[in-house]
Amino acid sequence: AQSVTQLDSHVSVSEGTPVLLRCNYSSSYSPSLFWYVQHPNKGLQLLLKYTSAATLVKGINGFEAEFKKSETSFHLTKPSAHMSDAAEYFCVVTTFGDYKLSFGAGTTVTVRA
Amino acid sequence: EAGVAQSPRYKIIEKRQSVAFWCNPISGHATLYWYQQILGQGPKLLIQFQNNGVVDDSQLPKDRFSAERLKGVDSTLKIQPAKLEDSAVYLCASSLEGAELFFGSGTQLSVL
Repeated sequence: AQSVTQLDSHVSVSEGTPVLLRCNYSSSYSPSLFWYVQHPNKGLQLLLKYTSAATLVKGINGFEAEFKKSETSFHLTKPSAHMSDAAEYFCVVTTFGDYKLSFGAGTTVTVRA
Repeated sequence: EAGVAQSPRYKIIEKRQSVAFWCNPISGHATLYWYQQILGQGPKLLIQFQNNGVVDDSQLPKDRFSAERLKGVDSTLKIQPAKLEDSAVYLCASSLEGAELFFGSGTQLSVL
């Protein structure tokens, strides 16, 4: 079985400050992990993915995430938030060969001017 | 390349009515998913197809929901009869080898 826990339901940051979205996972085997972003009234877009290569993964729009097996974490960060980063973010886990994805409950990010 | 197409974009119906959603995945993508996303929650998998066969429908309320993927390409999801708690966004996604999913914009369903 696999599951994802997003530790914060809501994160509020000021524009230009760092963003940290926390995600812990559980998986019986080697996981693949993803972060998706969903802007209001839009579909989900892939930000980045980890599939057993480099543990530090760089994605689009300046986001990156680090896979830490010892901590079963896959936290998403961005050094400087932009107003356009305001959205819902989902951490997702799947097991290789399983093709079944488990979504976290989501973290809503608001960016203050 | 063209993305995942879904229609309609919005749908408003009364409870006990029927509704159908359509999805056309990215060309060549063998795996197709239907997700239900209730406001404030993460997407929940309803059904997963591999080509035209069902891989997982364990969370599909089969007494009222049905889905098919004829010829392994586009797919329809039907609700009959609808309940108030079916109000949600219905997302279709496809993937080439079961890794990265590409999502459509979704169909927002309101059941009154």
